Amino acid sequence: DGGITQSPKYLFRKEGQNVTLSCEQNLNHDAMYWYRQDPGQGLRLIYYSQIVNDFQKGDIAEGYSVSREKKESFPLTVTSAQKNPTAFYLCASSEPGHIEKLFFGSGTQLSVL
Amino acid sequence: GIQVEQSPPDLILQEGANSTLRCNFSDSVNNLQWFHQNPWGQLINLFYIPSGTKQNGRLSATTVATERYSLLYISSSQTTDSGVYFCAVVKLGTGNQFYFGTGTSLTVIP
Repeated sequence: DGGITQSPKYLFRKEGQNVTLSCEQNLNHDAMYWYRQDPGQGLRLIYYSQIVNDFQKGDIAEGYSVSREKKESFPLTVTSAQKNPTAFYLCASSEPGHIEKLFFGSGTQLSVL
Repeated sequence: GIQVEQSPPDLILQEGANSTLRCNFSDSVNNLQWFHQNPWGQLINLFYIPSGTKQNGRLSATTVATERYSLLYISSSQTTDSGVYFCAVVKLGTGNQFYFGTGTSLTVIP
């Protein structure tokens, strides 16, 4: 089945630690996105990538980093510079074109120990 | 960016009731989608509807782009409709950066 796989489902970070969230898609989509969701809030864009080896900052990129070495993979690293990392992280993908729908993974809940 | 406002923020319905959710946006858009987030966090695309009206079973949606709003109608609600409904838009001329509203939390009670 085609889809977006995020792992792990739950992740705990210690002070000063970098952690990486995985996002893999087999939909053959060019564009991929990372969103952050805080309780009772909408989704805010962290980074997005429209093509391999290229990505752009979203509205809340500080303290995060990404890479896009392969079309199907878009990992997100939450660095120690992100002082409030506890949130639900969602990865999405889309195929840019006339009708561009977003498809989401099932999310990763990150908490600080 | 673009401002996206959804109302009401919370809604509690008896099973079988109908409801209307609203999404207002502050600028012209070329993409508007409605999503349902289930209690486990999964977001499902309900409609791609930058203008016009669409129906899918008990759900329908209407976007009046010239007046900058969209409506999501849920008829004969079921407990499985519970969750959070989000509207997301792409501002005209800004590529494919989606902006989300803060959602409407719907609880359907039996």
